[in-house]
Amino acid sequence: NAGVTQTPKFQVLKTGQSMTLQCAQDMNHNSMYWYRQDPGMGLRLIYYSASEGTTDKGEVPNGYNVSRLNKREFSLRLESAAPSQTSVYFCASSEAQGWNQPQHFGDGTRLSIL
Amino acid sequence: RKEVEQDPGPFNVPEGATVAFNCTYSNSASQSFFWYRQDCRKEPKLLMSVYSSGNEDGRFTAQLNRASQYISLLIRDSKLSDSATYLCVVKDNDMRFGAGTRLTVKP
Repeated sequence: NAGVTQTPKFQVLKTGQSMTLQCAQDMNHNSMYWYRQDPGMGLRLIYYSASEGTTDKGEVPNGYNVSRLNKREFSLRLESAAPSQTSVYFCASSEAQGWNQPQHFGDGTRLSIL
Repeated sequence: RKEVEQDPGPFNVPEGATVAFNCTYSNSASQSFFWYRQDCRKEPKLLMSVYSSGNEDGRFTAQLNRASQYISLLIRDSKLSDSATYLCVVKDNDMRFGAGTRLTVKP
């Protein structure tokens, strides 16, 4: 069972470069999420998509854009990468955004920006 | 004040020990609560949901105290394989993650 798949797993960028992180889930979940995880901090929500066709900002959206391409796929784009965006990025999905709906995570993308 | 606070640890315990983690949250309107486990350089994985009446799953017991706004996780008879970081997660409109408590179980 694939669950949530993220690509790439690792990436090094130079400041100012752009890139897109891909995420796909095969659990027929409605809601998808992008988080970043930094040392000593909890996961912080960047953007989420409650359902196909909708996207909303999370706690730390600046410097990022997202696209909910279809029900399965939710991509995160860095238009002009900055060193402060060096982090581990996790994509997650849940059946819905309602109460008591746990999220299932991909295995992360480790991004370094020089 | 952080929205979800956990003791970062590390907790170093021998095999077979009982260990407890606490987590406090700031939003009294929070409705859902979870414990996740995260192994080193891996993704978070759901360990268990936390219900108002408290719940148990094998060696793991979770409790919720709404009045004091904290949740706890008790691990009995610790195994080497329990070594991980345990994330407290509280849901209001969004999922809010604590920074995690690191546990190392030693032989």
